[in-house]
Amino acid sequence: GAVVSQHPSWVICKSGTSVKIECRSLDFQATTMFWYRQFPKQSLMLMATSNEGSKATYEQGVEKDKFLINHASLTLSTLTVTSAHPEDSSFYICSGDLGNYEQYFGPGTRLTVT
Amino acid sequence: AQSVAQPEDQVNVAEGNPLTVKCTYSVSGNPYLFWYVQYPNRGLQFLLKYITGDNLVKGSYGFEAEFNKSQTSFHLKKPSALVSDSALYFCAAGGGGSYIPTFGRGTSLIVHP
Repeated sequence: GAVVSQHPSWVICKSGTSVKIECRSLDFQATTMFWYRQFPKQSLMLMATSNEGSKATYEQGVEKDKFLINHASLTLSTLTVTSAHPEDSSFYICSGDLGNYEQYFGPGTRLTVT
Repeated sequence: AQSVAQPEDQVNVAEGNPLTVKCTYSVSGNPYLFWYVQYPNRGLQFLLKYITGDNLVKGSYGFEAEFNKSQTSFHLKKPSALVSDSALYFCAAGGGGSYIPTFGRGTSLIVHP
């Protein structure tokens, strides 16, 4: 149980375009989902906390107008990278909170902006 | 502010030998501690957690971790390493009313045949 999926797993886009990443909890309802960014050989950086039906809470230094997060249902959260630039290239990981201090992570999305 | 330190970027161990991946933390109040494993180009998989109770926590795939309050440590251990254990391991800690954990930088475990 506690499976989280992400789509797409890998995306290449041109600079200036927008990309949407979906995060779904397949067998549980996630009131809270988290979005992380991971650089090569580095730790996870929390970008934002997404709560179903309300605005996301962004970490300091994360541009909310660039990284749009929507948590429209208890099983789906989306991250849209708007006007992507090469420096946005990264591995993006979402997780769902089961409410027992455990987070269950998606497989990640590799974004490459050319 | 809470922080997590994983002092070793890489740990090398021979298959069959015991392994230890170190983690120390700094949080206010009682800590919530976690270990996750990440395989290449994949998300993180939960291994084990300490919230309260017995200081020795047993988790998935034969891993265990010991909570040491005086040393503020939560080292990950396994009695006999497998080549398939080779992966990136993350320690995470939360506390002080925040249940959102902070992650360490990760330790690459390499198990040699």
